[in-house]
Amino acid sequence: DAGVIQSPRHEVTEMGQEVTLRCKPISGHNSLFWYRQTMMRGLELLIYFNNNVPIDDSGMPEDRFSAKMPNASFSTLKIQPSEPRDSAVYFCASSLEVYNSPLHFGNGTRLTVT
Amino acid sequence: TQLLEQSPQFLSIQEGENLTVYCNSSSVFSSLQWYRQEPGEGPVLLVTVVTGGEVKKLKRLTFQFGDARKDSSLHITAAQPGDTGLYLCAGARTGTASKLTFGTGTRLQVTL
Repeated sequence: DAGVIQSPRHEVTEMGQEVTLRCKPISGHNSLFWYRQTMMRGLELLIYFNNNVPIDDSGMPEDRFSAKMPNASFSTLKIQPSEPRDSAVYFCASSLEVYNSPLHFGNGTRLTVT
Repeated sequence: TQLLEQSPQFLSIQEGENLTVYCNSSSVFSSLQWYRQEPGEGPVLLVTVVTGGEVKKLKRLTFQFGDARKDSSLHITAAQPGDTGLYLCAGARTGTASKLTFGTGTRLQVTL
């Protein structure tokens, strides 16, 4: 298996622009997670889906952030409009919703908003 | 609110030295996972501990879950440059990844 695939690897954009991050989870995994990692706050859970349904989005910072999972093999995280404080590494992870199943992370998207 | 505190935050040692990383919480977890993250990559699972007092070994790495399931430690014997990375503990309130809380992380650098 190719693992969790994220694109793009790097994104540089200007404040106010829309940013879309993409994720393809591991085939057969029924849970998908979006995390954000910064030096100050570490790894934070933004939202997670189970069987394509958003279960908990309490970690989404504000209305500028939205996430979708139209099918089992694809998810997007959108920021509109983007702000410099959104600069971070965004990770997508997938897992099986079974006891002690680990998270499998992608290699992340490094977002820089200028 | 950060429920899992790791110490130390940073550690720079020479090859061959031993080290211990701690992961502490006031909350009880049903299980605890340790991940290692290398630059430019996502975290990768090292081990999962489930039972209070459990000890697991992975080559030169020894993981222990506290008796009360509130804390854990990672001990590395004879560290090597390949051990360099960010070590993250993650506690699960229930058994599934959906309730995983990550620790603050320990950044380890091992030099020759």
